[in-house]
Amino acid sequence: AQSVTQLDSQVPVFEEAPVELRCNYSSSVSVYLFWYVQYPNQGLQLLLKYLSGSTLVKGINGFEAEFNKSQTSFHLRKPSVHISDTAEYFCAVSDPGGGADGLTFGKGTHLIIQP
Amino acid sequence: NAGVTQTPKFRVLKTGQSMTLLCAQDMNHEYMYWYRQDPGMGLRLIHYSVGEGTTAKGEVPDGYNVSRLKKQNFLLGLESAAPSQTSVYFCASSPDRSYGYTFGSGTRLTVV
Repeated sequence: AQSVTQLDSQVPVFEEAPVELRCNYSSSVSVYLFWYVQYPNQGLQLLLKYLSGSTLVKGINGFEAEFNKSQTSFHLRKPSVHISDTAEYFCAVSDPGGGADGLTFGKGTHLIIQP
Repeated sequence: NAGVTQTPKFRVLKTGQSMTLLCAQDMNHEYMYWYRQDPGMGLRLIHYSVGEGTTAKGEVPDGYNVSRLKKQNFLLGLESAAPSQTSVYFCASSPDRSYGYTFGSGTRLTVV
């Protein structure tokens, strides 16, 4: 079974600074990778996904992520954050060759934007 | 608006009581999922369904049952609630495994 590790439970960063949220997954022949965002008291929204092809994936709200197969990583980045980016961010993985038993989520990273 | 609707949004139960959480989607998605979210634990899969009339166990199925009698609805039941089931429950749906999920807004359940 796949597993996902989000290395930081909290990341504080100043407004307009760049940010990177780290995600590593257990190795597999191939994977689908996702980043979701959860604003307070809301459900999760899909930010971006990697299925195949270009290793740099662009998503909504100015976020992007880079798939690195050799490092088994899928780190999320944004060049300049805003107060509105304060939220919980989840990395998730699924095995395209496996069953339909859902995504495996990391434990989340709380992004805290400081003015 | 199209999406996933969960009812109720909040509920307080006494230990031993039963209840059913309803998830409804209007996107004609085949796949539906129930997750629970606990602080520091991320989301954990309880049960899922790959189509009308089908259900399967996820990572943490004990104490829960599910049914999918209609394609658009996925019900999560607690027969005898326990304090350990205090959590936020999310339903999600997807047309296939690569598309990504659409999540509901959650049900916050407290068992006292």
